[in-house]
Amino acid sequence: EPEVTQTPSHQVTQMGQEVILRCVPISNHLYFYWYRQILGQKVEFLVSFYNNEISEKSEIFDDQFSVERPDGSNFTLKIRSTKLEDSAMYFCASSEHTGELFFGEGSRLTVL
Amino acid sequence: GDSVTQMEGPVTLSEEAFLTINCTYTATGYPSLFWYVQYPGEGLQLLLKATKADDKGSNKGFEATYRKETTSFHLEKGSVQVSDSAVYFCALNRVGNSGGSNYKLTFGKGTLLTVNP
Repeated sequence: EPEVTQTPSHQVTQMGQEVILRCVPISNHLYFYWYRQILGQKVEFLVSFYNNEISEKSEIFDDQFSVERPDGSNFTLKIRSTKLEDSAMYFCASSEHTGELFFGEGSRLTVL
Repeated sequence: GDSVTQMEGPVTLSEEAFLTINCTYTATGYPSLFWYVQYPGEGLQLLLKATKADDKGSNKGFEATYRKETTSFHLEKGSVQVSDSAVYFCALNRVGNSGGSNYKLTFGKGTLLTVNP
């Protein structure tokens, strides 16, 4: 069964460092998303991406964040200068037109 | 804005017990409603969904009915198993601001269920 894959599963970084989280969406899906979950809190929408551009972003998704689809398969989330409060589980998801989102297993980011 | 409220966990049950996890929502219009499940060490998986009022979603013995009058989508299972131990998330889905098929999920905080043998 096709699935969304994410790497790394866990990354530890120092405050101020750049981090790139990678995702390979399901191959025939056209819509891509990043969500995050700070420990003990809700899963929150960050950004959606379609046709090589951001469709919508939340207020969390400030200038420190960027997304890119550098080739035909990867979808990346970059955090330019990490802060302690960026520590969270980051989930990538993809969908076709039906509205059902398929999620990856998540990448846990720990900022020290 | 949209919001989802689900019962606080953790919930601990014995095998074969009846499960209810309450979920209520606030939204304008007619969102679709979902339950996602996250098993230990895995990603979020769709458990069931309902797209309009009075629809009942069901899967793996779990059920939830879309009640517009009470804005609820409570998850139930008649007899839980140890393998049902997981975190359960209630969510609503609507088309994002850019329209088309760009959907945006709003999640509840999640409820940890532990089933003991």
